[in-house]
Amino acid sequence: ETTVTQSPASLSVATGEKVTIRCITSTDIDDDMNWYQQKPGEPPKLLISEGNTLRPGVPSRFSSSGYGTDFVFTIENTLSEDVADYYCLQSDNMPYTFGGGTKLEIK
Amino acid sequence: EVQLVESGGDLVKPGGSLKLSCAASGFTFSSYGMSWVRQTPDKRLEWVATISSGGSYTYYPDSVKGRFTISRDNAKNTLYLQMSSLKSEDTAMYYCARHGAVRVSFDYWGQGTTLTVSS
Repeated sequence: ETTVTQSPASLSVATGEKVTIRCITSTDIDDDMNWYQQKPGEPPKLLISEGNTLRPGVPSRFSSSGYGTDFVFTIENTLSEDVADYYCLQSDNMPYTFGGGTKLEIK
Repeated sequence: EVQLVESGGDLVKPGGSLKLSCAASGFTFSSYGMSWVRQTPDKRLEWVATISSGGSYTYYPDSVKGRFTISRDNAKNTLYLQMSSLKSEDTAMYYCARHGAVRVSFDYWGQGTTLTVSS
């Protein structure tokens, strides 16, 4: 089973600042990493799919990079509307496994 | 517009059974793999089951294997999750999620339905 270690668990930034979230996997998963945003009371929303592919309609301030075991999710120029929980998901092998989540707050 | 609507969540006693449903619309249901994903009260996400587009192949993590059964009725555009021998640790919000057209990524999720297992 591939373990996904996500960090940090929480962070607080001012609007306009850059956010960086990292997920490290215990096995090589090529580029099969996905990134989700979840706002209170809503289901997770796919922002970036495998191959670091930004989903249609998702603002370009969201991006990701990485291959193999080390993956980074970035928000440039963070807005107040970006307050949410963020999760990574490895979809390379079963059982599909999620990171523990990152809670983003705005100062 | 892709829509996934779950139903069937309830309060169940340990050892009990329950069947969840997910009604799909806005896309060709029979062309997509589907999964169930749950979110526990501490907000942890866990993949629960996957079924191929035609329904021939199913997959489960060890935590639910032998207790949960995923199925689908492509004529009714509906996904199911039959759960038995329920435990307190199965308490969660259960989401159905559609797979991507080419790769797995769970690209659309329903609003979820809540299962509580408690005596």
